[in-house]
Amino acid sequence: NAGVTQTPKFQVLKTGQSMTLQCAQDMNHEYMSWYRQDPGMGLRLIHYSVGAGITDQGEVPNGYNVSRSTTEDFPLRLLSAAPSQTSVYFCASSYLGTAAHYGYTFGSGTRLTVV
Amino acid sequence: KQEVTQIPAALSVPEGENLVLNCSFTDSAIYNLQWFRQDPGKGLTSLLLIQSSQREQTSGRLNASLDKSSGRSTLYIAASQPGDSATYLCAVNTGGFKTIFGAGTRLFVKA
Repeated sequence: NAGVTQTPKFQVLKTGQSMTLQCAQDMNHEYMSWYRQDPGMGLRLIHYSVGAGITDQGEVPNGYNVSRSTTEDFPLRLLSAAPSQTSVYFCASSYLGTAAHYGYTFGSGTRLTVV
Repeated sequence: KQEVTQIPAALSVPEGENLVLNCSFTDSAIYNLQWFRQDPGKGLTSLLLIQSSQREQTSGRLNASLDKSSGRSTLYIAASQPGDSATYLCAVNTGGFKTIFGAGTRLFVKA
């Protein structure tokens, strides 16, 4: 099925551990992004990419790294997990239009708990 | 800085009622606005996308309008059903590859 696939769906980490959240899309979307969702705060952009080899920071990038080696994959790395990174993480992708984005397609999310 | 606000934060209505969800944004210079639905513990499902040059979009019982000059969008749901119970989020694309989300309106439709 075409879409955005995120793994894992759930993860518990200890403070200081590192891990990578995976995101893959099979729609040949140029644009990919990572959001975190916290209660009462909506979704906040962490990092985004407009193509292979091109990434940029969003609103809340600290503590996270990304890379984009292929069009399909956009992993999010937590270098040293902190309790403040407990959240639900969503990956989203889109085509890049000449004047504006098309709508986003979201993955089903990764629920991360840092203890 | 673009800010997106959704009021009310929560809404409870009886089945069959027509309802309107509101989304306001502070900067009228937008590329598009998208409405999403999110079920508990799930991802976001796109409902409607309105380009900046459009005034409204319709899909089944849903109709979304956009008034850039006043910084407002509304999502109209006709003949609400219990299956419509979910959180509805609006998202504003301001260009520069960044989209700003509202915190959402949690809707509960009582049978």
